[in-house]
Amino acid sequence: KNEVEQSPQNLTAQEGEFITINCSYSVGISALHWLQQHPGGGIVSLFMLSSGKKKHGRLIATINIQEKHSSLHITASHPRDSAVYICAVTPLRSNYKLTFGKGTLLTVNP
Amino acid sequence: GAGVSQSPSNKVTEKGKDVELRCDPISGHTALYWYRQSLGQGLEFLIYFQGNSAPDKSGLPSDRFSAERTGGSVSTLTIQRTQQEDSAVYLCASSLVGSRVDQPQHFGDGTRLSIL
Repeated sequence: KNEVEQSPQNLTAQEGEFITINCSYSVGISALHWLQQHPGGGIVSLFMLSSGKKKHGRLIATINIQEKHSSLHITASHPRDSAVYICAVTPLRSNYKLTFGKGTLLTVNP
Repeated sequence: GAGVSQSPSNKVTEKGKDVELRCDPISGHTALYWYRQSLGQGLEFLIYFQGNSAPDKSGLPSDRFSAERTGGSVSTLTIQRTQQEDSAVYLCASSLVGSRVDQPQHFGDGTRLSIL
C-alpha cells in the first residue's frame, strides 16, 4: 500500500463547479504539499502546510493531522485549472525527502 | 535564470547508450534533488544533494545511475547502458536549505527520456 493515496484518480468538471481532491497518508509527517503539474511536465508548488487551512485565490488546502487527511478545493473552476494535482508529504523520518501520491488528473470543460 | 533549468528537455537514445541529464538550480539554493516520473507512476525520489555532497542516494535504482554536483550548483545525472525501463521524465528540484522542512522545493520542467 502506498504511503500517500489520492482520490479520485481522474476528475472531470464543468467550468464554475466546486472541486475537491482528497489525500490520505499513513506515516507521521512534518509537512504536506500540494503540487500542480501541467501538460509538458512543469511542477509548481501550490501549498505547503502542517496544520489547519491555507487559501490562495480560488484554491484552498486543509489538513487534519489526527485523521492523516488533506483536501484541496478549487472554487469557481476554470479550464485553465486543468492539470494533474499531486499530494506529497515530508515524512518525520526525513526533513527533505518527499513521498508522492500518484496524482489526480483534473479536466475542466468550458 | 529565475527558475530551475533542465537540459535537454527531450532525449531519445538507443538502448545501451549512456546519457547525461543536466540540472541548473536556482542561484543560492544549496539543496538539489533528482526525481523520476515513469508513465502511470507517481514521482519517485532518486538522490539528494546538500552542497556538493549526496547524503542520500537511496533512490538510485541501480549502479548504472550516478549523479554529481560541482561548485554547489550544476548537477548531472548519468545513466549508463540505458535500458527501456529507464524511459521516464527526470525532474530536478532545488530548495534554499535541505534540512529545513519549511523550505519549498522548486521544480524544473524535466527531461523526457525515451529509450528505443
